[in-house]
Amino acid sequence: GAGVSQSPRYKVAKRGQDVALRCDPISGHVSLFWYQQALGQGPEFLTYFQNEAQLDKSGLPSDRFFAERPEGSVSTLKIQRTQQEDSAVYLCASTRQGLDTEAFFGQGTRLTVV
Amino acid sequence: SQQGEEDPQALSIQEGENATMNCSYKTSINNLQWYRQNSGRGLVHLILIRSNEREKHSGRLRVTLDTSKKSSSLLITASRAADTASYFCASYTGRRALTFGSGTRLQVQP
Repeated sequence: GAGVSQSPRYKVAKRGQDVALRCDPISGHVSLFWYQQALGQGPEFLTYFQNEAQLDKSGLPSDRFFAERPEGSVSTLKIQRTQQEDSAVYLCASTRQGLDTEAFFGQGTRLTVV
Repeated sequence: SQQGEEDPQALSIQEGENATMNCSYKTSINNLQWYRQNSGRGLVHLILIRSNEREKHSGRLRVTLDTSKKSSSLLITASRAADTASYFCASYTGRRALTFGSGTRLQVQP
């Protein structure tokens, strides 16, 4: 595609509900990253894929967060039993390979847990 | 937690003036990147400077890097109202992923 696409753009979830956020990276991009951005802050790293392999998930804040990229293209970030502190913008980025080059970001999904 | 800190946190200038934002980081880097974020939108890559470079230009943007001080600066010359956004530096150490600073919110008054 022309750019990184994320869906939905906005999601309101009741506390305790499970949510799934989708990221379509730029076609052919090997590396995919998920970030969490709280209001007024910079993005915080969550997890990193190279093709279908999840190489780093050290930024996931708890075991309620799970990410996958089964065929090395589309990725899904799943949050189970959402809590209010999960409210944030979730950003996805992709690069051709690694981070010695620019990253392309999607518009993000704004998650609000009520 | 974020590796970088940016200064100032907020900056308000008039159209036509120059804007300078500074970024500091904590560990050795492979490269440092600057991104812009308009309100409610994703980040847009502006410029990448490698650890062996000291200065880089792109249009109205000038980035400097001082690895001895672990700092970088972004200069936007002849600013326009459309430059109003948040600006983030992001460092890459060769491990993990980009580590972002807390950002500078720039307001350019027409």
